[in-house]
Amino acid sequence: DAMVIQNPRYQVTQFGKPVTLSCSQTLNHNVMYWYQQKSSQAPKLLFHYYDKDFNNEADTPDNFQSRRPNTSFCFLDIRSPGLGDAAMYLCATSRYLGGRSEQYFGPGTRLTVT
Amino acid sequence: QQPVQSPQAVILREGEDAVINCSSSKALYSVHWYRQKHGEAPVFLMILLKGGEQKGHEKISASFNEKKQQSSLYLTASQLSYSGTYFCGTEEEGSQGNLIFGKGTKLSVKP
Repeated sequence: DAMVIQNPRYQVTQFGKPVTLSCSQTLNHNVMYWYQQKSSQAPKLLFHYYDKDFNNEADTPDNFQSRRPNTSFCFLDIRSPGLGDAAMYLCATSRYLGGRSEQYFGPGTRLTVT
Repeated sequence: QQPVQSPQAVILREGEDAVINCSSSKALYSVHWYRQKHGEAPVFLMILLKGGEQKGHEKISASFNEKKQQSSLYLTASQLSYSGTYFCGTEEEGSQGNLIFGKGTKLSVKP
């Protein structure tokens, strides 16, 4: 009964080699988020989709892109990963934006850049 | 504006109580609390909305003082399973509704 699924759980990529992380949800939630979490730090929001509307955080590097082809799936593309992009990437969903909606997190993808 | 959590870390014996605080310099609409165990995803605990409410969930409860832009998470009679890092996520008034997470409070419960 997994609700937010992320694949792969572990990803190793080479410096500069594009990589795509995927997220799917069975909750039929309107909002999907991508967070970056580095060791012992808080999750940092990269961007979110409300339905098909894409919202990029002001400090998210251009190197990070996202796609949401349908309600269930969302992808994170890192065009040219650097060593500083090594982190846990968390996908989350919520029914609505804002305070009334709890966020459901996936298990995360741990990205290693060599 | 990232909320400030305190303390950064706390060690308890089973059965002891703890309070974790979260404060912001911005007017808040809501505060969320999540717990994350090592290597796992954050898990939702509760949401507090503007209005100064208090909520409870078994032996974990929380309050939100909107005048002070502060929230506190209360853990009573702690259990080993309470160990993890606790994050508050704040939603600022007038924002799109996204959460900004604090740096977390690492709670360790020992037997």
